[in-house]
This record gives sequence, structure tokens and C-alpha cells, in this order.
Amino acid sequence: AQKITQTQPGMFVQEKEAVTLDCTYDTSDPSYGLFWYKQPSSGEMIFLIYQGSYDQQNATEGRYSLNFQKARKSANLVISASQLGDSAMYFCAMREGLEEGRRALTFGSGTRLQVQP
Amino acid sequence: GAVVSQHPSWVICKSGTSVKIECRSLDFQATTMFWYRQFPKQSLMLMATSNEGSKATYEQGVEKDKFLINHASLTLSTLTVTSAHPEDSSFYICSAELGLTVYNNEQFFGPGTRLTVL
Repeated sequence: AQKITQTQPGMFVQEKEAVTLDCTYDTSDPSYGLFWYKQPSSGEMIFLIYQGSYDQQNATEGRYSLNFQKARKSANLVISASQLGDSAMYFCAMREGLEEGRRALTFGSGTRLQVQP
Repeated sequence: GAVVSQHPSWVICKSGTSVKIECRSLDFQATTMFWYRQFPKQSLMLMATSNEGSKATYEQGVEKDKFLINHASLTLSTLTVTSAHPEDSSFYICSAELGLTVYNNEQFFGPGTRLTVL
């Protein structure tokens, strides 16, 4: 079974509008972290936001917020006031467990966001 | 924030040759580094976990004799693709872990190395 599922291969949004990128995850581990990364065409992975499984409040970082619904195992990324520079590939990722060597990330298939003027 | 560099940023080689990719943590010590591979229009897939001073741990399906990993110091891990073939053409990205705790975002990615095997 997929550990991270991103069901939107591509999304369009008008400049200055908000957009939600979906992410659901699957884990039986009570301790985990959820990440969102942006990957522009240059290929670098740009960290956007992090949510820990024990965090009580939804994470926010500037125009990015994470809609964390633990019971539904979803961690959707909300980008407010989209900008042309937001056009990129977006990956949701999860890190499970506390043990040594389990800190690698498992990535979803990604969503390509295109912001239109 | 912490910086991770990779060298080279891109490389083109002939089939059958070996290619070494370096991953360095520039301003912190990384006991653990991770190597990922990303084929065009696909996601990142973990290849191996590199631990300083010990053997790397490879993911299922990744040939350890083909993808040699050496983590000789707390700031450098190298991935050598031996006897490269066109199907090894991919984007290779490393990441380094800053701390020992899980409850934070202490993992930083390098800019990636694009390998093309002719």
C-alpha cells in the first residue's frame, strides 16, 4: 500500500487565489512527521512546512499552512495568495518512527502546480 | 539554515564508466546521510542510508555493488555508480540529518546531480 498518496497530478490556480494540494498518508507508527517540499524545474528540494504527529496545532509558515486531520490521515497543503513563482512540483513526504536509520523520507508522487496570471 | 552541497551538479558519461557523486554538509556534522534517486516525472525514491563509519544500508532492489556508498567523515558521503548504463541516468539527490530527534525538520537536501549515461 502507498504510504503517501497525492491524488492530484496537476493543479491550476489563478494568481492571488488560494489553492489546496491534497495528501493522505498511511502509517501505524504513532510517531511521525509530515513534510511538504517544493521542487522547481532546477530540481532542488525546497522545504516548505513540517507537521509532527503530536503537534496540537496546524503548522503555518508564511503563505503556507498545513491542514492536518489526524483521524483522516490527511495533511493538505494550503497556499494562500498564489504567485507566479509558486509554479513547481510539490511533494508530500513522511518520516516514521524513532529508531536509528528510519529517518529517511517517503515521498508521494507529487502534484504539479501551475499558477496562471 | 544548514547547507548541503553536491558535486558535480551534472555529469555525462559513457556506458561502462564509473561516476562519483559527492555530498557535503557545509556547516554542520551529519552522522546520517540519505541518497535518493528521481527518474523523470517521478518521485524521489530512497536508495540507501549512509552512516558515518559504518556500512550503508540499501533499500530493497538497489544493488550495493553497483551503487557504492562511502561515508568517510561527518561532512562527506560519496555515491559511486559503477559500470554505469543508460538506465542509470537519473537525478540523484542526497540529504543530511542535523540532529538526533525525530520531532523536527532537521533534514536538508543537496541541489542534486543529474547523471546522463550515453
